[in-house]
Amino acid sequence: DTEVTQTPKHLVMGMTNKKSLKCEQHMGHRAMYWYKQKAKKPPELMFVYSYEKLSINESVPSRFSPECPNSSLLNLHLHALQPEDSALYLCASSQGIAGAISGANVLTFGAGSRLTVL
Amino acid sequence: RKEVEQDPGPFNVPEGATVAFNCTYSNSASQSFFWYRQDCRKEPKLLMSVYSSGNEDGRFTAQLNRASQYISLLIRDSKLSDSATYLCVVTLYTGNQFYFGTGTSLTVIP
Repeated sequence: DTEVTQTPKHLVMGMTNKKSLKCEQHMGHRAMYWYKQKAKKPPELMFVYSYEKLSINESVPSRFSPECPNSSLLNLHLHALQPEDSALYLCASSQGIAGAISGANVLTFGAGSRLTVL
Repeated sequence: RKEVEQDPGPFNVPEGATVAFNCTYSNSASQSFFWYRQDCRKEPKLLMSVYSSGNEDGRFTAQLNRASQYISLLIRDSKLSDSATYLCVVTLYTGNQFYFGTGTSLTVIP
């Protein structure tokens, strides 16, 4: 069982819909991430939250809006998406420790939310 | 220049073969190194961390060469179940920036 839980596993939405993806971890990790992954490509970083504050936004369009209500939860609000936004959206977490000993600060992924935009 | 470069393959090898993947990174300040495995339509999962002295886990051996800025993964006695995409991941000192290689596709053939 993954220690990072994502819901829903599958989502189909129209271009005018508003939906949210949710992510939860109880490992005490202080960094949480959203990645987007298209078929046969590596995960592409979207956002990083460190200690509940947005620390990295990789120039993601505003139709994607992240939210970190507390240290265990991470949401991704979706609005007015385009068909090309269809992808696997992966949440991940890590200890987020600067200068960690090699191998100590591991990225743990959730199972992902597979999004289809019609 | 990409932070992390990997040969995308595909690598098609027979069962029992030994196969090696390499990955190069551009930032000499890189702190931590990992190999992840990703099965089709699943999330990436940590295969092993890579330590400076090299490390082994069963049939898998990972090595780090800081001078040449590359890491490697060696799989001995390949099994059908090893078929997957192998992702090289590198982090900086900040601890929350993980850079992914493009992934190397491995298919082990009966």
